[in-house]
Amino acid sequence: DAGITQSPRHKVTETGTPVTLRCHQTENHRYMYWYRQDPGHGLRLIHYSYGVKDTDKGEVSDGYSVSRSKTEDFLLTLESATSSQTSVYFCAISESGPMSEQFFGPGTRLTVL
Amino acid sequence: KNEVEQSPQNLTAQEGEFITINCSYSVGISALHWLQQHPGGGIVSLFMLSSGKKKHGRLIATINIQEKHSSLHITASHPRDSAVYICAVRVSGAQKLVFGQGTRLTINP
Repeated sequence: DAGITQSPRHKVTETGTPVTLRCHQTENHRYMYWYRQDPGHGLRLIHYSYGVKDTDKGEVSDGYSVSRSKTEDFLLTLESATSSQTSVYFCAISESGPMSEQFFGPGTRLTVL
Repeated sequence: KNEVEQSPQNLTAQEGEFITINCSYSVGISALHWLQQHPGGGIVSLFMLSSGKKKHGRLIATINIQEKHSSLHITASHPRDSAVYICAVRVSGAQKLVFGQGTRLTINP
């Protein structure tokens, strides 16, 4: 299995609080992605990174920010969590972007009350 | 209309049956991925293909670029194949994948 971990794995928080999710990889892959998965929707891209300090928005980026200061870590921050951000969040990595296989982390279940 | 459509949404079959899951897309693509999501939530990449056919064990994936269609076949299905199967495409010129909503497969013993 690719070395990808996510932390925390579960989190319950209240509306208006900041939340940071961490994705850590040991594969030295260049690309890292944050997705959310909700019932009735496929996986949807929030943000992705194509290198240290290089990030871009996905299709559902509003309310989220990301940072990548090291190859191995990609952080997703909800500045002020809302109930609509209750979801399961997956991190993924790939060696050379969408033309290469993506490896997924175990997911983080976030509940915003 | 979603750019990636999968059918059926749900499929229940008996152990040993031949399974086909379909994926149609409406955009130009440079690659198509098939993923498997286990009941526990983990997601595993099964195939990435841009033409023709690939086989891994009892799984076969095919793609017809002209018809904008891909199929995932499972031969001699087993209860451990029960999972959600997800199709995703890389839109030509884009740096991201677009995902279908998944097909939930249940194989009964």
